[in-house]
Amino acid sequence: GQNIDQPTEMTATEGAIVQINCTYQTSGFNGLFWYQQHAGEAPTFLSYNVLDGLEEKGRFSSFLSRSKGYSYLLLKELQMKDSASYLCAVRDTNTGKLIFGQGTTLQVKP
Amino acid sequence: GAGVSQSPSNKVTEKGKDVELRCDPISGHTALYWYRQSLGQGLEFLIYFQGNSAPDKSGLPSDRFSAERTGGSVSTLTIQRTQQEDSAVYLCASSSSGTEKTQYFGPGTRLLVL
Repeated sequence: GQNIDQPTEMTATEGAIVQINCTYQTSGFNGLFWYQQHAGEAPTFLSYNVLDGLEEKGRFSSFLSRSKGYSYLLLKELQMKDSASYLCAVRDTNTGKLIFGQGTTLQVKP
Repeated sequence: GAGVSQSPSNKVTEKGKDVELRCDPISGHTALYWYRQSLGQGLEFLIYFQGNSAPDKSGLPSDRFSAERTGGSVSTLTIQRTQQEDSAVYLCASSSSGTEKTQYFGPGTRLLVL
């Protein structure tokens, strides 16, 4: 079966660092994606990992361990505008469809 | 246009009516996906198009749901005899290649069935 788990909610302080974890068990794997979704808006692409290791992009980094079925998204120097839902998704090997977790709602407090 | 567009942005309908949702993918993107996001739920896959054909329809929840794509571009998702449980945000995404490239999402259509 397909199963992607991430925490439902997290809270962090402006200026701090937060790590959002995602674990997955899927029948196929062709990359792991992180998307950001503000309330009432479309998901926007943040990062993509297909090989093990860390991908860094400005204040955002994403890590993947395929052997452990584990990824995390690291957000540094948090800003109030980072308050949003963060969606972890695994891409299917055959069709490219994305299998999403439930999303993690991050609240950044002053 | 520069991004994926969807119309209408909001749709309110009565139970039992048919609705049609439209998606215009990014120009040149051959792969197109429909997803549904219900309140408090994650995004769930509905259907995948490569060109005009749909190799994966496994996510369509019932035979009231159908979709087509013409000219390798615009896609329409049709829901017949709508039910209240069909209320959700319907999101369309496109990519330049189904299995290798990033999917970019449209703004979605918010459907409310009364």
